[in-house]
Amino acid sequence: EAQVTQNPRYLITVTGKKLTVTCSQNMNHEYMSWYRQDPGLGLRQIYYSMNVEVTDKGDVPEGYKVSRKEKRNFPLILESPSPNQTSLYFCASSLSTGRAIYGYTFGSGTRLTVV
Amino acid sequence: AQSVTQLGSHVSVSEGALVLLRCNYSSSVPPYLFWYVQYPNQGLQLLLKYTTGATLVKGINGFEAEFKKSETSFHLTKPSAHMSDAAEYFCAVSQEGAQKLVFGQGTRLTINP
Repeated sequence: EAQVTQNPRYLITVTGKKLTVTCSQNMNHEYMSWYRQDPGLGLRQIYYSMNVEVTDKGDVPEGYKVSRKEKRNFPLILESPSPNQTSLYFCASSLSTGRAIYGYTFGSGTRLTVV
Repeated sequence: AQSVTQLGSHVSVSEGALVLLRCNYSSSVPPYLFWYVQYPNQGLQLLLKYTTGATLVKGINGFEAEFKKSETSFHLTKPSAHMSDAAEYFCAVSQEGAQKLVFGQGTRLTINP
């Protein structure tokens, strides 16, 4: 089944403790992206990647890092999480870079709570 | 820059009634427009999209939307609401060459028995 898989689904952590949220897609998509969803704000892009070793900032990149060493994986790293990063996070992928016509395939989300 | 405004953060309709979720966009170039649905504890699922061609677009689960350039709108409708339509709905805009979808703030749809 074609899908984007995120792990974990739920995570509670403490301020300052480094964490990684994994994202993997099995569709051979070039493009991958991370979004965070907050009430009343919709989804905002954190980072995106157009291909292996090519990443760029989205609208809200502060406090996050990403890497794209393999085409299928795009982990999101919070090196020193803070309470304002408590949110619902989504990974998404798309067939082609810059061809938004295809839309995105989303993962099921990771609900992160930083205390 | 592109932007999306969804009118009404919460919409409530009776089962069997018309569903109308409003979306207005801002774009200086021809837009690509999308509606996504998010059921509780799930990711976003594409309902329908407009890229080019016919302005009335039909999607899954009986939903449709009409692209009206003069009104910069892309409202989502369904003739008869079903209990299973209860979810959050997001309108999004993009364009050729863009590296992201820009989302509206979402509209939570509640269906009353």
